[in-house]
Amino acid sequence: NAGVTQTPKFRVLKTGQSMTLLCAQDMNHEYMYWYRQDPGMGLRLIHYSVGEGTTAKGEVPDGYNVSRLKKQNFLLGLESAAPSQTSVYFCAGYTPGTYEQYFGPGTRLTVT
Amino acid sequence: GDSVTQMEGPVTLSEEAFLTINCTYTATGYPSLFWYVQYPGEGLQLLLKATKADDKGSNKGFEATYRKETTSFHLEKGSVQVSDSAVYFCALSESSGGSNYKLTFGKGTLLTVNP
Repeated sequence: NAGVTQTPKFRVLKTGQSMTLLCAQDMNHEYMYWYRQDPGMGLRLIHYSVGEGTTAKGEVPDGYNVSRLKKQNFLLGLESAAPSQTSVYFCAGYTPGTYEQYFGPGTRLTVT
Repeated sequence: GDSVTQMEGPVTLSEEAFLTINCTYTATGYPSLFWYVQYPGEGLQLLLKATKADDKGSNKGFEATYRKETTSFHLEKGSVQVSDSAVYFCALSESSGGSNYKLTFGKGTLLTVNP
């Protein structure tokens, strides 16, 4: 089992460019999350999904969109990248009752 | 809203020293509490958890006790190793009905253990 995987691992964008980060999981998690990690800030929730076809806003959703067309995939989109979106992005999956979120390895994004 | 405050680092210790990283929380309901660890260049891994008051979570020599009266969940280890060098995050999750189970994290504490 691959667990939770993220693509790509690294990316550099210019301001105004767009991109999509892919999170894939083979653990049958119902819930999936996108967090961003910034120095001295811990991790903050961007968007999440409680099941296929559903999405909801987290703590810092502005500038991002998400989609969950298939249960195993959760996509995070940046339509017009800004330097403030330079961060490390983590995806996580969760099955209620297990008390453990499983994290992917992260995507390091730099916006110049 | 929910929040987690943990001891700010960095923390630098010698091998075999005693470790404490303080963590306190505020929550509206009855949260579950967690310590996650992030090794260099990797994602987060669950280190230990406690789901109700007075529970003690333990793993790999680390321990933390859920103290509702002091709203705390301090991480301890009696003898640290170089391999424990990592960033440690305290986190909580509300588990009441209708919850999205999202994690609220502290800012993280960088631990460096020297030989």
